Amino acid sequence: DAKTTQPTSMDCAEGRAANLPCNHSTISGNEYVYWYRQIHSQGPQYIIHGLKNNETNEMASLIITEDRKSSTLILPHATLRDTAVYYCIVRVVEGNKLVFGAGTILRVKS
Amino acid sequence: GAVVSQHPSWVICKSGTSVKIECRSLDFQATTMFWYRQFPKQSLMLMATSNEGSKATYEQGVEKDKFLINHASLTLSTLTVTSAHPEDSSFYICSARLTGGFEKLFFGSGTQLSVL
Repeated sequence: DAKTTQPTSMDCAEGRAANLPCNHSTISGNEYVYWYRQIHSQGPQYIIHGLKNNETNEMASLIITEDRKSSTLILPHATLRDTAVYYCIVRVVEGNKLVFGAGTILRVKS
Repeated sequence: GAVVSQHPSWVICKSGTSVKIECRSLDFQATTMFWYRQFPKQSLMLMATSNEGSKATYEQGVEKDKFLINHASLTLSTLTVTSAHPEDSSFYICSARLTGGFEKLFFGSGTQLSVL
């Protein structure tokens, strides 16, 4: 599975959009981009995933660049409850493992 | 959505004793379950992949005789930490994948193990 690079931490004002970047320059054609988040002392929670098209669900939007070497997770209206560690992971859809990197600590502030 | 239940949420034990952690998929069948451990302020580290009815596959550096994994049914996997020592104190998390579904994994709420 391709390796990802994310900023260590980010701050965001409550009510504003939070844009979390992820670099995955070695991604291959059959690897998907997944985003999970982990709120303190809880198990990770699935947010969204995509292959090459932009995706949106009730939680977030995922923007993948045309060359697929990077992506951005967008939380449109961040709340204090969105404070968490956000993990960007790439893997083959049939792949059995989900390997977590360091992630980005997002702090939403009032 | 799919729910994965992990029990207990936290456990304190004496050094040398064994501790069993259960992971159940409540409303779906999970052919494959995964076990992770997480130290404070660190990311999750995959320990092993548990397949129903077969032996678990351990990641490099994880002692299979110390961390016993059993996946006897499509809804239950257990992790037993044998002869626990203080350095085994950690946050253990399981996850499950829907049978026939590859898109996402569902995680338990984790078990905080403290070995005295």
